[in-house]
Amino acid sequence: NAGVTQTPKFRVLKTGQSMTLLCAQDMNHEYMYWYRQDPGMGLRLIHYSVGEGTTAKGEVPDGYNVSRLKKQNFLLGLESAAPSQTSVYFCASSYSRGAHNQPQHFGDGTRLSIL
Amino acid sequence: SQQGEEDPQALSIQEGENATMNCSYKTSINNLQWYRQNSGRGLVHLILIRSNEREKHSGRLRVTLDTSKKSSSLLITASRAADTASYFCATEGEYGNKLVFGAGTILRVKS
Repeated sequence: NAGVTQTPKFRVLKTGQSMTLLCAQDMNHEYMYWYRQDPGMGLRLIHYSVGEGTTAKGEVPDGYNVSRLKKQNFLLGLESAAPSQTSVYFCASSYSRGAHNQPQHFGDGTRLSIL
Repeated sequence: SQQGEEDPQALSIQEGENATMNCSYKTSINNLQWYRQNSGRGLVHLILIRSNEREKHSGRLRVTLDTSKKSSSLLITASRAADTASYFCATEGEYGNKLVFGAGTILRVKS
């Protein structure tokens, strides 16, 4: 039981390049989330999904796209990377029980630097 | 914008002492959660307290919630060096699904 797995763990991009971050969970969770963590700012929600085939915007969605084609996977895409997107990205998932009161399970993050 | 604000931003104590961290928030919540993050790792859920609860315990952790003051506290008793980490509070609003995190408290426990 691996929990939440993020790939890759580290990546360096040049401005304007594109890439996709992959998140996989093996807990059969309905809900999945992408956050970014910047120094002194805690975690900010980028996009989230409440089920296969559905996605929604979070607090800071600009410059990112997501897809949830399979229940266990949640992909985060950067179409044209910018230095402001240098951050640590975390994926999380949670069980759905009336949509409330469920803790989130986190991966170990992807450290992304954009030059 | 962040819902939860932790206080203090950083805390340094000796092993065996108690550590208290506070969290304040702005709007009505369904629940408040505390997470721990070790350096270079993801967040780990510690404890969840619902809006109709006032106090909750889990091992050496004690969490209180005062909805009238929109604040919560996390107490770690008899701290250990292994408790060194960042601690975050997160609030779930009335419509569920999403958490809003504070900026965290960095705790250092010296042995």
